Amino acid sequence: QVQLVQSGSELKKPGASVKISCKASGYTFSSYTMNWVRQAPGQGLEWMGWINTNTGNPTYAQGFTGRFVFSLDTSVTTAYLQISSLKAEDTAVYYCARDACDGGSCYPADWGQGTLVTVSS
Amino acid sequence: QSALTQPRSVSGSPGQSVTISCTGTSSDIGGYNYVSWYQQHPGKAPKLMNIDVSKRPSGVPDRFSGSKSGTSATLGITGLQTGDEADYYCGTWHSSLSARVFGGGTKLTVL
Repeated sequence: QVQLVQSGSELKKPGASVKISCKASGYTFSSYTMNWVRQAPGQGLEWMGWINTNTGNPTYAQGFTGRFVFSLDTSVTTAYLQISSLKAEDTAVYYCARDACDGGSCYPADWGQGTLVTVSS
Repeated sequence: QSALTQPRSVSGSPGQSVTISCTGTSSDIGGYNYVSWYQQHPGKAPKLMNIDVSKRPSGVPDRFSGSKSGTSATLGITGLQTGDEADYYCGTWHSSLSARVFGGGTKLTVL
């Protein structure tokens, strides 16, 4: 079965960087786009963008350019989200979510358990 | 501010039915049959409950159903159970933004 296992919670100081991992198993990693979604405390879901796991080409949503980087290590079927110059407002749970496609429509179908990033001095 | 508009909360008693609306525009819901619904229990990851307006993933009870009319979509839940109490989010593609968008979420309370 499809499994996405994310790295553990992180506590970082403002200005630091963090790299979150998302280890995929149970399917052909390079065949499905990987999304990243942010959920701030008490707030809704916010799509950050995705990465083409076949080409490695990332696409970033508005508001997630510059400090956010999506990357892959296909040898270990893992996707990464790196955030630099962390700010207090980056405090959130970050999810990876694998796309599934049905009849030409694709959507985030399988989700990791989430990684809490807390930014505090 | 979310691109898609959902009611902040809905409620119902066990056994009853509820609907959760998701309102968008011609650039998102109105332009696609692809509307997904997610259930999120506190502290848990979202779970896909309905896809492509009216299809359910394997394992999702047929008590959950989706529909769409114009620029709005609806998730219906029949035979409410206490385990249905959760936050629900709709999502789709927004052509002008070239981005996936979600609704702000609806808290379902089963009284």
